[in-house]
Amino acid sequence: KAGVTQTPRYLIKTRGQQVTLSCSPISGHRSVSWYQQTPGQGLQFLFEYFSETQRNKGNFPGRFSGRQFSNSRSEMNVSTLELGDSALYLCASSLLVETYNEQFFGPGTRLTVL
Amino acid sequence: GQQLNQSPQSMFIQEGEDVSMNCTSSSIFNTWLWYKQEPGEGPVLLIALYKAGELTSNGRLTAQFGITRKDSFLNISASIPSDVGIYFCAGPQGGSEKLVFGKGTKLTVNP
Repeated sequence: KAGVTQTPRYLIKTRGQQVTLSCSPISGHRSVSWYQQTPGQGLQFLFEYFSETQRNKGNFPGRFSGRQFSNSRSEMNVSTLELGDSALYLCASSLLVETYNEQFFGPGTRLTVL
Repeated sequence: GQQLNQSPQSMFIQEGEDVSMNCTSSSIFNTWLWYKQEPGEGPVLLIALYKAGELTSNGRLTAQFGITRKDSFLNISASIPSDVGIYFCAGPQGGSEKLVFGKGTKLTVNP
């Protein structure tokens, strides 16, 4: 079974631009979560989608948004990029069996904002 | 919100040694997850714990869910060079899919 895939793997943007990152979950997984990883703050939750609906949201500004499609694939968008948005953006999917919370991560998209 | 305190921050050990790291919280967690991350990759799930007092093994790795539900431990026996990486503990906040992560334990194994 293929794992979580994320595209692109690397991205360089300049301040003020916007960016869209894509995530394809493991087949059959309907929940997709996004995390930001930086050396200073560690891994921080951005948002989670299930059945095309955002169910949970972290403490990030409105410049960070996302969506999920009917095939469970998800995208996240960051508008008006700032230098501090440079980070590894990770997507994770889970099966949501009973109360289990096992999330499986993709390799991430490394975003550099210049 | 809930926070996870992970220690130690880093460990430098010789190949063959056993390793122990832990994670504590001021809040109760109903699930504890242990991940390993290698450079340039996403975290890989190593062990999931669902019940207080539970002890679960995955090869040379053993993890325990603390009785108080506020801590968890990960042990690695007979370390090898490929154990190098950053180990994270994580737990779901409020029973949701929102995972809270510790800051990680960076493990270096000297051959």
